Amino acid sequence: AQKVTQAQTEISVVEKEDVTLDCVYETRDTTYYLFWYKQPPSGELVFLIRRNSFDEQNEISGRYSWNFQKSTSSFNFTITASQVVDSAVYFCALRRNFNKFYFGSGTKLNVKP
Amino acid sequence: NAGVTQTPKFRVLKTGQSMTLLCAQDMNHEYMYWYRQDPGMGLRLIHYSVGEGTTAKGEVPDGYNVSRLKKQNFLLGLESAAPSQTSVYFCASSDTGQAGLEQYFGPGTRLTVT
Repeated sequence: AQKVTQAQTEISVVEKEDVTLDCVYETRDTTYYLFWYKQPPSGELVFLIRRNSFDEQNEISGRYSWNFQKSTSSFNFTITASQVVDSAVYFCALRRNFNKFYFGSGTKLNVKP
Repeated sequence: NAGVTQTPKFRVLKTGQSMTLLCAQDMNHEYMYWYRQDPGMGLRLIHYSVGEGTTAKGEVPDGYNVSRLKKQNFLLGLESAAPSQTSVYFCASSDTGQAGLEQYFGPGTRLTVT
């Protein structure tokens, strides 16, 4: 079965705190892709990052970083020095091919000033 | 480029009524998708299309029909709306090959069925 689990339903932090959003996935495929999307209060879905199953290098983009570990089937997302504008629902997703795209249930991040 | 657009943004239907949601993309993408988003459930794929004139069922297709008569448009139809179809509907598109791995989403349509 293909599955994406985001166990944290909602997280609240105070501005400037670091926060990590967890994502655990299940797949038997050797080739797959993992994604993070952001859904701000306005409702649109914004693509943040894509990782393929052969590339376990961590990635950093400004205050955002991603930790991909195949050994634990995890693709965690860390926001450093969080800001109020980071408040959103974040979705982790797994893609096998063009028609097999599985989303987690999302983690709502509240960043308080 | 407008990207992916959806019409309408909001709609209220009575049980049994029908309606069509329109999705349009100007990126010349081959693949298009319709999802629904319900609280606590993430996004679930309703139908998708891999090219003009083709459609296929996703995870939750019952109660919906789709058509892709033109490459840039993907229509989602509800023939007889039910309260269980109250949801936010997102359209997405993607390219082919390595360039098409991520999906680009429209702004969503909030549908309420009373």
